[in-house]
Amino acid sequence: EDQVTQSPEALRLQEGESSSLNCSYTVSGLRGLFWYRQDPGKGPEFLFTLYSAGEEKEKERLKATLTKKESFLHITAPKPEDSATYLCAVQAINSGNTPLVFGKGTRLSVIA
Amino acid sequence: KAGVTQTPRYLIKTRGQQVTLSCSPISGHRSVSWYQQTPGQGLQFLFEYFSETQRNKGNFPGRFSGRQFSNSRSEMNVSTLELGDSALYLCASSLVPGPRSGNTIYFGEGSWLTVV
Repeated sequence: EDQVTQSPEALRLQEGESSSLNCSYTVSGLRGLFWYRQDPGKGPEFLFTLYSAGEEKEKERLKATLTKKESFLHITAPKPEDSATYLCAVQAINSGNTPLVFGKGTRLSVIA
Repeated sequence: KAGVTQTPRYLIKTRGQQVTLSCSPISGHRSVSWYQQTPGQGLQFLFEYFSETQRNKGNFPGRFSGRQFSNSRSEMNVSTLELGDSALYLCASSLVPGPRSGNTIYFGEGSWLTVV
């Protein structure tokens, strides 16, 4: 069974304090790993897709990396507006009946 | 380019009633999927439609159903509502179904359902 585990569940940072969020996954064969950002009361907003180990993608203060077992979302010098829940999801090559399998998310709070 | 549009955004229903939620995908997207999000369970897959056909279904009871129209718009219906059905219902669209390079899945803002 495909599984995604995100850690930590919650993270509190001071503005400018860089850190990383972890997404560990178990899939029969990875087709793609997705990162989404979700603000309270809103739908998930697409951030990145990673397809193969070693791949990296960047967007403003965010950088996503991928290995064969996990992905990291690095946040450099975060600002209060980066506060949100960050969701990781995987698509398996043989995805059966589930297009995306999500982790429970990491709730990030950035304090000014 | 307009995103995924879901209506209504908020609604309150009584136990035993039924509800219909609507989703208009991004223009040109032909695949629509639905997810339920609750604080305890996170996002859980409900079903996926493509070309008016249900391709996949998650592990939910038969009270949850859906359909897709020829213009790719989709609706989901929940009958005989229970308190535990209170959740954020998210619709997502993509060009085509299934995992493949470049087939990003975009989400709408969701429909907040409260069952009292």
